[in-house]
Amino acid sequence: RKEVEQDPGPFNVPEGATVAFNCTYSNSASQSFFWYRQDCRKEPKLLMSVYSSGNEDGRFTAQLNRASQYISLLIRDSKLSDSATYLCVVTHSGGYQKVTFGIGTKLQVIP
Amino acid sequence: DAGVIQSPRHEVTEMGQEVTLRCKPISGHDYLFWYRQTMMRGLELLIYFNNNVPIDDSGMPEDRFSAKMPNASFSTLKIQPSEPRDSAVYFCASSPRGSGNTDTQYFGPGTRLTVL
Repeated sequence: RKEVEQDPGPFNVPEGATVAFNCTYSNSASQSFFWYRQDCRKEPKLLMSVYSSGNEDGRFTAQLNRASQYISLLIRDSKLSDSATYLCVVTHSGGYQKVTFGIGTKLQVIP
Repeated sequence: DAGVIQSPRHEVTEMGQEVTLRCKPISGHDYLFWYRQTMMRGLELLIYFNNNVPIDDSGMPEDRFSAKMPNASFSTLKIQPSEPRDSAVYFCASSPRGSGNTDTQYFGPGTRLTVL
């Protein structure tokens, strides 16, 4: 089983729709969780951290479910500019920090 | 700040040749990471440094790969000899002091390597 698993998609959604992605992780000792965004042929950039209590940033909501070992990202009122690949990131410590990226979920918002 | 700088941006070479990728982290950042990204495997951490010291190199695929950080403002990733399966985008990222967490990792634009 991969340490971090994501559905690679693509998710094709109409403009204005709500879309949600999940990401599962295998290490129950994982400590920190993040969503990164990567545009085509560009570098990844931090979108938002994921806190235990859940957090929201405008149209974006991230949640963590430790019991089931998954994190989620919800995008409301999708815009064409949201089209990108969304990478799930999990870190844990085993003497030193270990960082694992998911393969990413591709989102295509269509007019 | 110019951000993380990587060179070259594109590299095309023939199998068996030596390839050297370069990275200049953001000034003042104590952590430096090297990643490789392919369609099949996604983004993989190869190695990371803290204060110029390699901390975790468990992601380095084999002995053909080596990385150095001779000072706080420069790092290299070398592949010798290169093979077609090394074709990928190689990213360098840096992170500020005391974090080590990805919430403050800043990625460079990447080097697109093609080995023929």
